[in-house]
Amino acid sequence: NAGVTQTPKFRILKIGQSMTLQCTQDMNHNYMYWYRQDPGMGLKLIYYSVGAGITDKGEVPNGYNVSRSTTEDFPLRLELAAPSQTSVYFCASRMDANSGANVLTFGAGSRLTVL
Amino acid sequence: AQSVTQLGSHVSVSEGALVLLRCNYSSSVPPYLFWYVQYPNQGLQLLLKYTTGATLVKGINGFEAEFKKSETSFHLTKPSAHMSDAAEYFCAVSAQSGYALNFGKGTSLLVTP
Repeated sequence: NAGVTQTPKFRILKIGQSMTLQCTQDMNHNYMYWYRQDPGMGLKLIYYSVGAGITDKGEVPNGYNVSRSTTEDFPLRLELAAPSQTSVYFCASRMDANSGANVLTFGAGSRLTVL
Repeated sequence: AQSVTQLGSHVSVSEGALVLLRCNYSSSVPPYLFWYVQYPNQGLQLLLKYTTGATLVKGINGFEAEFKKSETSFHLTKPSAHMSDAAEYFCAVSAQSGYALNFGKGTSLLVTP
């Protein structure tokens, strides 16, 4: 059982480049999330999805896009990378909001540096 | 909306001493409360959670937390710190039918010999 898998683990981008952070889960979870973690700031929600074909903005969506074509995959795209997007990105998933468990399973993170 | 405030961005304790990490929450509806731990260069792992029922919640690795509605608190404790407890700890809150968790800014726990 792999859980939540994120790729790449590390990436350096130049300003203005684009890239996609991949996230896959094999637990058949409906809900998936992207958070970014900055030192001393905790985790902030970028986007989330409640199921295939449904996505919505979180607290800090500007500069990012997502899609959810399958239950398993939830990629995060940066179109025009900026230094402010230097961060550690975490993908997470859970079954659904009303399951009672309400527990997020996290990936190991993707560390992105924009120079 | 729900939010949490973690008091103290850094806490240092001696090995064998009591660990106390503070978390206060704000919620307009009955909350779900969580503590997660993050070891260096890893993702977050659930330590424990409060949903309903017993207000004293026991988690993994000897940690526990008590939900105190009157104080809007959910402090994390462990009677005796181990070196392996050194990590970043996050308190989080969600509404019972909410879509996402709101995290605190984290508390870095240092354990000294």
